[in-house]
Amino acid sequence: GENVEQHPSTLSVQEGDSAVIKCTYSDSASNYFPWYKQELGKRPQLIIDIRSNVGEKKDQRIAVTLNKTAKHFSLHITETQPEDSAVYFCAAKGLNDYKLSFGAGTTVTVRA
Amino acid sequence: NAGVMQNPRHLVRRRGQEARLRCSPMKGHSHVYWYRQLPEEGLKFMVYLQKENIIDESGMPKERFSAEFPKEGPSILRIQQVVRGDSAAYFCASSPPFGTASTDTQYFGPGTRLTVL
Repeated sequence: GENVEQHPSTLSVQEGDSAVIKCTYSDSASNYFPWYKQELGKRPQLIIDIRSNVGEKKDQRIAVTLNKTAKHFSLHITETQPEDSAVYFCAAKGLNDYKLSFGAGTTVTVRA
Repeated sequence: NAGVMQNPRHLVRRRGQEARLRCSPMKGHSHVYWYRQLPEEGLKFMVYLQKENIIDESGMPKERFSAEFPKEGPSILRIQQVVRGDSAAYFCASSPPFGTASTDTQYFGPGTRLTVL
């Protein structure tokens, strides 16, 4: 089955700086890669996703890049704000699969 | 348009009791997924259901766990004879029907936090 690895496990950045989280996946047939943000005690919320026919996608301060050859994808948050502090999860879905396979999460702390 | 609903939000059970977790998908969604999250870990897939059908239960323990999504009413995740290791947050997600552009997208409910004493 699909195996998703996520790095780093924790990330502390100064407010206004950028944050980058990286994930690798094992199944070359995977074609859908969402990112979720989870605040303490809350539900995972979809913040951005990308499909395998696209190399990059941007939504305001958030961007995701995908390298299919290397089987890795990254989340970039620019101009970080205190409200960006949360746990971020990457995930991957295989072409003929239904479930999402999640990374272990990255705890992002934005220092004011 | 209400999001994915789950209840109860918190559930406390003693070892050996049964736990029933409910999930109502978003309006118009016909696919339901259950995931389990242990403290400080990612979400692990348990089961995928459509109305009246279990499509993939590869992530669900073979014993004590069962799931259903009846024609009418919410999806139910049932854990019989709970043990301390079942303590976790259980999240339900739903997605639109096949044939829609966003059928891959899964929207999560607020979760049920199960504590087994």
